[in-house]
Amino acid sequence: GESVGLHLPTLSVQEGDNSIINCAYSNSASDYFIWYKQESGKGPQFIIDIRSNMDKRQGQRVTVLLNKTVKHLSLQIAATQPGDSAVYFCAEKPPLSGNTGKLIFGQGTTLQVKP
Amino acid sequence: DSGVTQTPKHLITATGQRVTLRCSPRSGDLSVYWYQQSLDQGLQFLIQYYNGEERAKGNILERFSAQQFPDLHSELNLSSLELGDSALYFCASSRGGGGYTFGSGTRLTVV
Repeated sequence: GESVGLHLPTLSVQEGDNSIINCAYSNSASDYFIWYKQESGKGPQFIIDIRSNMDKRQGQRVTVLLNKTVKHLSLQIAATQPGDSAVYFCAEKPPLSGNTGKLIFGQGTTLQVKP
Repeated sequence: DSGVTQTPKHLITATGQRVTLRCSPRSGDLSVYWYQQSLDQGLQFLIQYYNGEERAKGNILERFSAQQFPDLHSELNLSSLELGDSALYFCASSRGGGGYTFGSGTRLTVV
């Protein structure tokens, strides 16, 4: 079946450095992608999204890049802070899902920020 | 507080039992989604309801069922529980397409 995958299960970075979390998706027809952050003991929290007609979208300290040629999605976090430590999930809206809103989630990457 | 309320937060029950998880969506959201999160499985889509009707079904076991009530809250019923059903169960809601808002989850432990 379809799957959305992340390249690394754990990423460790120094506080203040930039973080890049990667995601490979399988379906070239997916038209909507989201990054979620999940802190320990909490539900996933929306970070940023991007539609397939865009290559880049910026938020506050976060940037999502979409490379449709190689079916790759990345999340860049600038000046990583201890509060950014969490599990990050990418999700895609599969084709033919119509107006169901169903999202397919990847396995997640754990971001560890070292002080 | 995300606006999506899930109860209970924790549930411990024995194998073979039946439990009901409850979700109140964010005000104005018509869609409710249920996801299961196990340690090694990530977030697995179970089922979606939209304004009281089932809209999409994922990898939901026959022992599991759900419904959405006229006030838009939803319940996920898990029966004949097995050890492998131990997981976090998340509810999310949305107004339409786009991203979800998740609740804080119910941690189910089957012993």
